[in-house]
Amino acid sequence: GAVVSQHPSWVICKSGTSVKIECRSLDFQATTMFWYRQFPKQSLMLMATSNEGSKATYEQGVEKDKFLINHASLTLSTLTVTSAHPEDSSFYICSARDREKLFFGSGTQLSVL
Amino acid sequence: DQQVKQNSPSLSVQEGRISILNCDYTNSMFDYFLWYKKYPAEGPTFLISISSIKDKNEDGRFTVFLNKSAKHLSLHIVPSQPGDSAVYFCAANSDTGRRALTFGSGTRLQVQP
Repeated sequence: GAVVSQHPSWVICKSGTSVKIECRSLDFQATTMFWYRQFPKQSLMLMATSNEGSKATYEQGVEKDKFLINHASLTLSTLTVTSAHPEDSSFYICSARDREKLFFGSGTQLSVL
Repeated sequence: DQQVKQNSPSLSVQEGRISILNCDYTNSMFDYFLWYKKYPAEGPTFLISISSIKDKNEDGRFTVFLNKSAKHLSLHIVPSQPGDSAVYFCAANSDTGRRALTFGSGTRLQVQP
């Protein structure tokens, strides 16, 4: 099946710093990638839709200036959490579509101290 | 407004028996449904899907049933194995998969040896 690689798998950072998370589709091209966030014992919530070569589409309540998304190629999307704060601590997951199925990266556990 | 609901947060089943996980949805525009399995600190893994034109799809030990009139779907695992213990998410989307998935809140399945 399709493979989506996400790095890093976990990161600890100080409050106020920025963190970049990469999402790569390894054996297929993805014009659209999705970024989700999961808080403990909650569902996966869509944050934004990343479109190759154009601006990302953000869900209501998600700050676009805080969560910067870049989809520069058909196989790579990045999410940068700018000026991270403890409330941004969460599990971030990317996904990419191969035909009608969505495949997920392994996730990034972000802890902001 | 939760468009995809999994009303049972947890389920415990004996090894070898059937596990039935349920999911309800409210959006009549949904036309594609998926089940994902998720371990802690990992991304979801695709299990099985079903299109709204079908009422059943089977893949090995996993069968998904769709009742469109009731806006209900279920995942059957037979026979259940201890390795099946994980959180199972029901997800749905519309427009033949071109949109992002909407996830339920998940059901934690525990298969007792």
